[in-house]
Amino acid sequence: QQPVQSPQAVILREGEDAVINCSSSKALYSVHWYRQKHGEAPVFLMILLKGGEQMRHEKISASFNEKKQQSSLYLTASQLSYSGTYFCGTEGGNAGGTSYGKLTFGQGTILTVHP
Amino acid sequence: DGGITQSPKYLFRKEGQNVTLSCEQNLNHDAMYWYRQDPGQGLRLIYYSQIVNDFQKGDIAEGYSVSREKKESFPLTVTSAQKNPTAFYLCASSIDARLAEDEQFFGPGTRLTVL
Repeated sequence: QQPVQSPQAVILREGEDAVINCSSSKALYSVHWYRQKHGEAPVFLMILLKGGEQMRHEKISASFNEKKQQSSLYLTASQLSYSGTYFCGTEGGNAGGTSYGKLTFGQGTILTVHP
Repeated sequence: DGGITQSPKYLFRKEGQNVTLSCEQNLNHDAMYWYRQDPGQGLRLIYYSQIVNDFQKGDIAEGYSVSREKKESFPLTVTSAQKNPTAFYLCASSIDARLAEDEQFFGPGTRLTVL
């Protein structure tokens, strides 16, 4: 089942902060975050693993709440280059903790940063 | 330079025709994936392959077929049975799909339009 992302769209001015949320109805083993510019391929940002630490990529960080089956992406002091569509991809796992090997992506959050 | 290539970038086909989309990677990755992206939507998994000579259906496999005869190649055929084939198709690869920390690398995509 597809994870749900919120909000659907965010408009910021340079330097402002934003939070993008990703919620799943299923138990998660990992959450992947990607950013896609219009007409281009998605680019990997970071992976959060069950039981793992909060991750960071430049001024972008993310958390993973296993109990709530949620992940949040935090964009701090946004830059023009942050504009794009952000996708979370969730991955379940079997009882032994091995990944099923496939991601289910959310519908995306469109982030627009203005000067 | 290592990477994933998809060809062609734009493809037009007449209704009722089969068409094959190419995906090649020289990253020595075991796993490869095909996604479909429709406007304003996330990525939906069509097929994936964890290893050469093996592949599994994703969430929307109907009307599509794949082969994985070589590690570096994972072509996707869109058959005439696919009722709504116009979309942006993305191919991806990863080192080992069994690993939850396995990042996916995406190709530039093929935009298919059925006339």
